[in-house]
Amino acid sequence: EDKVVQSPLSLVVHEGDTVTLNCSYEVTNFRSLLWYKQEKKAPTFLFMLTSSGIEKKSGRLSSILDKKELFSILNITATQTGDSAVYLCAVESYSGGGADGLTFGKGTHLIIQP
Amino acid sequence: NAGVTQTPKFQVLKTGQSMTLQCAQDMNHNSMYWYRQDPGMGLRLIYYSASEGTTDKGEVPNGYNVSRLNKREFSLRLESAAPSQTSVYFCASRPSGEKLFFGSGTQLSVL
Repeated sequence: EDKVVQSPLSLVVHEGDTVTLNCSYEVTNFRSLLWYKQEKKAPTFLFMLTSSGIEKKSGRLSSILDKKELFSILNITATQTGDSAVYLCAVESYSGGGADGLTFGKGTHLIIQP
Repeated sequence: NAGVTQTPKFQVLKTGQSMTLQCAQDMNHNSMYWYRQDPGMGLRLIYYSASEGTTDKGEVPNGYNVSRLNKREFSLRLESAAPSQTSVYFCASRPSGEKLFFGSGTQLSVL
C-alpha cells in the first residue's frame, strides 16, 4: 500500500520567517510528486516533481525531490499572511492501468502570524 | 472554460436517504476521480475512472457507487447515507501523468 507522510502536521510562524515542509513517501512504482495549496476550498496546484535534485521555483516558493531518500521539501521564504493554508503532498505511482493512483498525505496546516 | 464543475455545493441528508453528486469536466481528460476530505485526514480516494466505461475502487469505496456516463461526466452515488459519510467531496480530472484539476467541492452533512 502506498504511503505519504507529511511533517509537521501544523506549524505557526511569524510573517517574514522561512518555513520548510516535509513529505516522505513509500510507493511501489514512483512516477511523480505533486504539491498543492489548499485555502478554503479546492486545492490549487503548486509543483510537480519527477526528477531528483532539480529544484522547482515559483516566486518565494521552491521544492526539491530526493528519489534516493524518498522525500521532498517545500520551502517558503519571507512568509506572508496569505501563505496561511494547508499544504498537501501527493505521490503518483504508475500502475499501468491508466488512471494512475495519486496518494495524498494528511497535509501541513501552516499559520502565518502578522 | 469552466474546468471541473461539481453540483451541489452543499447538501444536508437524513440517515438512509440517497443522493447523487454530479461532476463534469470540459477539458477532454481521460481520468476522473472522487475524493473525500475529513479533518486531519487529507484527501482519500473513493473511486476513479481511467476512461469512459471503466471505474475502479480507491481507498474508501464502501457505501458509494459511481458512473462514468461519458468522457465528460463522473457521478458519485450514496445509496443509503450514513453520518460517517459527512465530509467534503471533491471531484477531479487530469490528463494521464499530469496535475489534477479539482472541482470546488461539495459539503455534505448526514444527520
